[in-house]
Amino acid sequence: DAGVTQSPTHLIKTRGQHVTLRCSPISGHKSVSWYQQVLGQGPQFIFQYYEKEERGRGNFPDRFSARQFPNYSSELNVNALLLGDSALYLCASSLTNLGAWETQYFGPGTRLLVL
Amino acid sequence: DAKTTQPTSMDCAEGRAANLPCNHSTISGNEYVYWYRQIHSQGPQYIIHGLKNNETNEMASLIITEDRKSSTLILPHATLRDTAVYYCIVRVVGQGAQKLVFGQGTRLTINP
Repeated sequence: DAGVTQSPTHLIKTRGQHVTLRCSPISGHKSVSWYQQVLGQGPQFIFQYYEKEERGRGNFPDRFSARQFPNYSSELNVNALLLGDSALYLCASSLTNLGAWETQYFGPGTRLLVL
Repeated sequence: DAKTTQPTSMDCAEGRAANLPCNHSTISGNEYVYWYRQIHSQGPQYIIHGLKNNETNEMASLIITEDRKSSTLILPHATLRDTAVYYCIVRVVGQGAQKLVFGQGTRLTINP
């Protein structure tokens, strides 16, 4: 079975540009979460979506937005890129968001470099 | 969210058991302990989780103290491929969202 997939794997942008990152969850999973991992630190929670609705948001500016599609795939959008947005962006999926016992499975990530 | 404390780094010889400790003294009764690992530049890999009973799967064992204030992840026969950063996370559901709050983790190095 395919795991969580993300595209693209790597991306280079310049300051001020916009970027869209994509995630396909494990088949049957309806919840998708996004995390940002800056070099040398642990991942930080950005968003969680379940059944196409935003269920949680981390401490990130409004330049960050996301959405979930009817097939449960998701996009993360970042506007007006800053140098500090350079990071590994991780997507994780779980069956639902109904219980703390539900495991989140991570994709390989998209490495974004902002110049 | 409950905070976890882990040693910054640990070393273990190949073939020996690796025991990774984690303190979570402020854990609440409905909070699960999760362990993930991250091999360089890859996405975090789920290892194991538990609430209050000890757990074992094909990858590892999780020992949670009776008061639930600390736990130990055990890799029974460490190999070079187990070299990674290991994260101990206390997982809570609140306000309709689930999130994993990662700390700095323990950098485990398996030596030949």
